[in-house]
Amino acid sequence: DAGVTQSPTHLIKTRGQHVTLRCSPISGHKSVSWYQQVLGQGPQFIFQYYEKEERGRGNFPDRFSARQFPNYSSELNVNALLLGDSALYLCASSRTSGRLADTQYFGPGTRLTVL
Amino acid sequence: KQEVTQIPAALSVPEGENLVLNCSFTDSAIYNLQWFRQDPGKGLTSLLLIQSSQREQTSGRLNASLDKSSGRSTLYIAASQPGDSATYLCAGFSSNTGKLIFGQGTTLQVKP
Repeated sequence: DAGVTQSPTHLIKTRGQHVTLRCSPISGHKSVSWYQQVLGQGPQFIFQYYEKEERGRGNFPDRFSARQFPNYSSELNVNALLLGDSALYLCASSRTSGRLADTQYFGPGTRLTVL
Repeated sequence: KQEVTQIPAALSVPEGENLVLNCSFTDSAIYNLQWFRQDPGKGLTSLLLIQSSQREQTSGRLNASLDKSSGRSTLYIAASQPGDSATYLCAGFSSNTGKLIFGQGTTLQVKP
């Protein structure tokens, strides 16, 4: 089985632009969560979706939004990009009830650089 | 506010040594704790998950323990190898917040 996939792998944007990051979960997984990892720090929770509904949201501004599609893939959108949004964005999927307590399987991440 | 702290931030050991990575958390309502490995510029690989009702989990040369009363977890790596060089992250799931909170990681270098 393929693991969690994310696209693109790398992205360079300028301040004020908008970006869309994509994630496909492991087949059979219905929960997708997004994390931001700034260099040298642990990942910070952004969103969790389960069965196309938002189940959790971290302490991020409204410029960050996400959605989950009927095939359980997900998009993370960030508007009005700031330099501080430069980070590795990680997507994780899990199999069962959608709680983040389940084993999380992470994708390789999208490296976003904002100039 | 739940916090997860990992000590040390970096560790360098010669090949073959047994080592312990530490993780402490402040939220007593922690439901479980997961250990992950991250290679430079890559995503996270799940290593072990310990439920709050368990005290330890083992996988190969890795053993993770969880002590809720003291708010601590340890990851023990036996007979370390250069291929073990990576950043190791612990993450606690809080029943209070419903969120997964990560520590900052311990970067391990195993020298041949």
